[in-house]
Amino acid sequence: KAGVTQTPRYLIKTRGQQVTLSCSPISGHRSVSWYQQTPGQGLQFLFEYFSETQRNKGNFPGRFSGRQFSNSRSEMNVSTLELGDSALYLCASSYTSGGYNEQFFGPGTRLTVL
Amino acid sequence: QQPVQSPQAVILREGEDAVINCSSSKALYSVHWYRQKHGEAPVFLMILLKGGEQKGHEKISASFNEKKQQSSLYLTASQLSYSGTYFCGTGGGSNYKLTFGKGTLLTVNP
Repeated sequence: KAGVTQTPRYLIKTRGQQVTLSCSPISGHRSVSWYQQTPGQGLQFLFEYFSETQRNKGNFPGRFSGRQFSNSRSEMNVSTLELGDSALYLCASSYTSGGYNEQFFGPGTRLTVL
Repeated sequence: QQPVQSPQAVILREGEDAVINCSSSKALYSVHWYRQKHGEAPVFLMILLKGGEQKGHEKISASFNEKKQQSSLYLTASQLSYSGTYFCGTGGGSNYKLTFGKGTLLTVNP
């Protein structure tokens, strides 16, 4: 089975711009979770989608949003980028809930905001 | 609330043992353990569920004390390949959110 893929792998943006990141889960997995990873804060939960519905959201401002399509692929959008948004964004897929099952992480998208 | 991991870092020689602890101020329904090597994605090690069920790799062992809201990961006879950052994550129940600790950096030297 192919693993979780994320595109693009690297992204450089300037403050104020917006960005869309994409995640394709493992075939058959219906849950996709997104995480922000920074050296100081570790892995922080952004949101989880299951069957196109957002089931939970972390403590991030409304500039961070996401969606999931009928084929389970997910996108994450960040609007009005700030310098502090620079991070590695990881998505993880699991068969059902990420809270109860093994999650498979993608390689991440490294976002740099200048 | 973010679980607290200890120690923050540990250095071992090959063959030595280590224990990594994870504690939470909230009731735990599930504890997850992942290892991340530098420049790579986190990789699943184990899940411990409330009630005693465990799912994970045979060579990894862990404990889950529901009353104390704590979990420990036991690494025995460490190998060079064990080096990396270990994260515990807590979650489950009606909350599908998985909250990770800040990680424990494990370095195994020859």
